[in-house]
Amino acid sequence: EPEVTQTPSHQVTQMGQEVILRCVPISNHLYFYWYRQILGQKVEFLVSFYNNEISEKSEIFDDQFSVERPDGSNFTLKIRSTKLEDSAMYFCASWPGTGAYEQYFGPGTRLTVT
Amino acid sequence: AQRVTQPEKLLSVFKGAPVELKCNYSYSGSPELFWYVQYSRQRLQLLLRHISRESIKGFTADLNKGETSFHLKKPFAQEEDSAMYYCALWGGYQKVTFGTGTKLQVIP
Repeated sequence: EPEVTQTPSHQVTQMGQEVILRCVPISNHLYFYWYRQILGQKVEFLVSFYNNEISEKSEIFDDQFSVERPDGSNFTLKIRSTKLEDSAMYFCASWPGTGAYEQYFGPGTRLTVT
Repeated sequence: AQRVTQPEKLLSVFKGAPVELKCNYSYSGSPELFWYVQYSRQRLQLLLRHISRESIKGFTADLNKGETSFHLKKPFAQEEDSAMYYCALWGGYQKVTFGTGTKLQVIP
């Protein structure tokens, strides 16, 4: 069964550095999402992406964040200048648009900002 | 606005006892509702979704539109059920909204 994949599984970076988290959604899916889970807290929506543009974003998704679908397979989340409070698990998800009643989540990337 | 409420942060039960994890939701349309399980900082795993009305690992959940609830139940808890459980709501096209989660602790 096709799965959403994410790389790396764990990323450690220093405060102020740029990071790019990568996701490969399921191949025929059209809608893509990023979520964040700070340790011990609930999963929070960051952004949704459809037809090469952001369709919805949360208040968390400020100018420090950006998303891109650079080619036909990858979906990336960039954090320009990381802060300590960006340390979290980041989940990517995708949805085909029709014919499925759930979003499919990846395994997550654990980001640690030191 | 869509909202999911899980009133219990922690639920401790003895092995073999029944389990009920509560979830209430607020949504203006007809949502899809899910339960996700997360074992010890691992990935989110879909446990069950209301539309398929299936039972996974002995867990069931019934959507009660009148009470806007989607409680998760299991008749006999097992030690391996110890995990974080998240109730989630999805209105289609949009974001999934998660509850704050309930930590289930099964005492041997």
